[in-house]
Amino acid sequence: DTAVSQTPKYLVTQMGNDKSIKCEQNLGHDTMYWYKQDSKKFLKIMFSYNNKELIINETVPNRFSPKSPDKAHLNLHINSLELGDSAVYFCASSPTGEDPQETQYFGPGTRLLVL
Amino acid sequence: DQQVKQNSPSLSVQEGRISILNCDYTNSMFDYFLWYKKYPAEGPTFLISISSIKDKNEDGRFTVFLNKSAKHLSLHIVPSQPGDSAVYFCATGGTSYGKLTFGQGTILTVHP
Repeated sequence: DTAVSQTPKYLVTQMGNDKSIKCEQNLGHDTMYWYKQDSKKFLKIMFSYNNKELIINETVPNRFSPKSPDKAHLNLHINSLELGDSAVYFCASSPTGEDPQETQYFGPGTRLLVL
Repeated sequence: DQQVKQNSPSLSVQEGRISILNCDYTNSMFDYFLWYKKYPAEGPTFLISISSIKDKNEDGRFTVFLNKSAKHLSLHIVPSQPGDSAVYFCATGGTSYGKLTFGQGTILTVHP
């Protein structure tokens, strides 16, 4: 019973393609997040959704579009992939997203390689 | 630009000794500090945290120290065990709900 799951785990694709990464949590949490771990290893928040509503939207190219069909799912769609999009993308969730002391629970990551 | 930095990319210690991992931050508005641990091919998992009203928090072998005047955070693991070998990320929160700012991680290797 994986708490936060992501698919696929690995994604290799060509520049210019469009791809999606899916995330699901079975913890009953209200808030979900997408993080990007770049080549310098920093984990940077991209988006957060609370009950399907966008809460955090960091400075991310608009080629990245999160979609939350329900509060248990937060998918990330990337248009016109570029070499610099190669990274590991982590999904996470937390109970409410309103308490800074809440633990965030992370998925295993999706390693994206753009050729 | 990076508000949270872990200046040691790696640390190697002997089993049974103390491991000390360090983290520096720049934004004095941060009021909650966390450590996450990450094994290969897995996501980060929460380890221990401290709020800005405290200077120390202890949980078993793990202790986090906060020096607000120096904007410095450290994690002590004692005694270190081979199973502690992982990447350790420090993170800060409190500037906006749910938003955590992570450092780049320190690879800890504990040798038997």
